[in-house]
Amino acid sequence: LAKTTQPISMDSYEGQEVNITCSHNNIATNDYITWYQQFPSQGPRFIIQGYKTKVTNEVASLFIPADRKSSTLSLPRVSLSDTAVYYCLVGVRRRTDKLIFGTGTRLQVFP
Amino acid sequence: DTEVTQTPKHLVMGMTNKKSLKCEQHMGHRAMYWYKQKAKKPPELMFVYSYEKLSINESVPSRFSPECPNSSLLNLHLHALQPEDSALYLCASSQDLVGAGLSSDTQYFGPGTRLTVL
Repeated sequence: LAKTTQPISMDSYEGQEVNITCSHNNIATNDYITWYQQFPSQGPRFIIQGYKTKVTNEVASLFIPADRKSSTLSLPRVSLSDTAVYYCLVGVRRRTDKLIFGTGTRLQVFP
Repeated sequence: DTEVTQTPKHLVMGMTNKKSLKCEQHMGHRAMYWYKQKAKKPPELMFVYSYEKLSINESVPSRFSPECPNSSLLNLHLHALQPEDSALYLCASSQDLVGAGLSSDTQYFGPGTRLTVL
């Protein structure tokens, strides 16, 4: 049973808003949702984390519905430098679930 | 200082060589991790250390041997590797062990060591 499900890839153009949705039907009650960004040949970088409703920082927004079975990472006005792989991580049952990366979403931004 | 450093950046070794990867953090984090990442694949968890003790070993072959000399350092000793072990090896740290419910579970990753086994 997959812990998280994300689209494999997405394309966008500079200046557009990009929304990447992650499904996590079996998220544990007390667990947070964390998103990471990874550029080629670099380590993943923390983007944002939330528990419910909406969280916003200088990089992105995270929308979490009341049932918490999914979450949406929103990147406003993307640029070429946002081309990367985006991963969402959640806790499901085992403690180590939060350490398991899913396939991620490969975002390609075009000029 | 929110940086995790890894050395070397690149490593080429033969199947009979012994080498070590090093990871260092000075954020006072109590948990450290090794991941392996093959091209176009997500990172795969290898080992987890909490308070300098091995907490999780994800069934990694014995040719990989982790070591945590102190709370700031994490090593990965390599011996008799195979060509299929070629990958990007990532180190990460977090304030407390992810999933322990003590803090936000955010991991900070290093830039990785690109390992090639000939």
